Amino acid sequence: GDSVTQMEGPVTLSEEAFLTINCTYTATGYPSLFWYVQYPGEGLQLLLKATKADDKGSNKGFEATYRKETTSFHLEKGSVQVSDSAVYFCALSDLGGNQFYFGTGTSLTVIP
Amino acid sequence: NAGVTQTPKFQVLKTGQSMTLQCAQDMNHNSMYWYRQDPGMGLRLIYYSASEGTTDKGEVPNGYNVSRLNKREFSLRLESAAPSQTSVYFCASSEAGQGGETQYFGPGTRLLVL
Repeated sequence: GDSVTQMEGPVTLSEEAFLTINCTYTATGYPSLFWYVQYPGEGLQLLLKATKADDKGSNKGFEATYRKETTSFHLEKGSVQVSDSAVYFCALSDLGGNQFYFGTGTSLTVIP
Repeated sequence: NAGVTQTPKFQVLKTGQSMTLQCAQDMNHNSMYWYRQDPGMGLRLIYYSASEGTTDKGEVPNGYNVSRLNKREFSLRLESAAPSQTSVYFCASSEAGQGGETQYFGPGTRLLVL
């Protein structure tokens, strides 16, 4: 079945460091891919998404490119801030769109 | 525009008790979802409703029932709570349940079953 595997945390970075959180997926067909962010005590919010191969999603300085050949959707940011501290989830939706599969989440802490 | 709201925010139950988690959205979305979030497991889909009047099982439906009361509201019921159902429950909605759509999440309900 469909699934998402993302890099385990926790990740601790200094402010202005480069961030990469790895995400790979297994799916039949051509799923849509997402990164969601969860701040403490809140629900998940969409960070970015890509719906077809080679698409790049971007938002708030974060980027991820849908790589069909490596079945990956790695999240990157060039210079993290303290306010980026949160848990990040990679997810995919199947062709029908009614089933979402989430990774286990990666906790990021950015220290000043 | 409140988005997705959930009640209660926190609940403690004893084993065997029942309760209903409430969810409502004001975005006129057709599709609604219930997830549970457990440490090291990510989010797992319990049930979803693609449209008013329909419900379908997700990955982990055992021990739960749902009702799509109308387009706005989607409730999750635990008939006889078990400690394994201790979790954080999230409700979400999306416009039409099509691939590539964004899901909008509520703030969650923390449930502790003793």
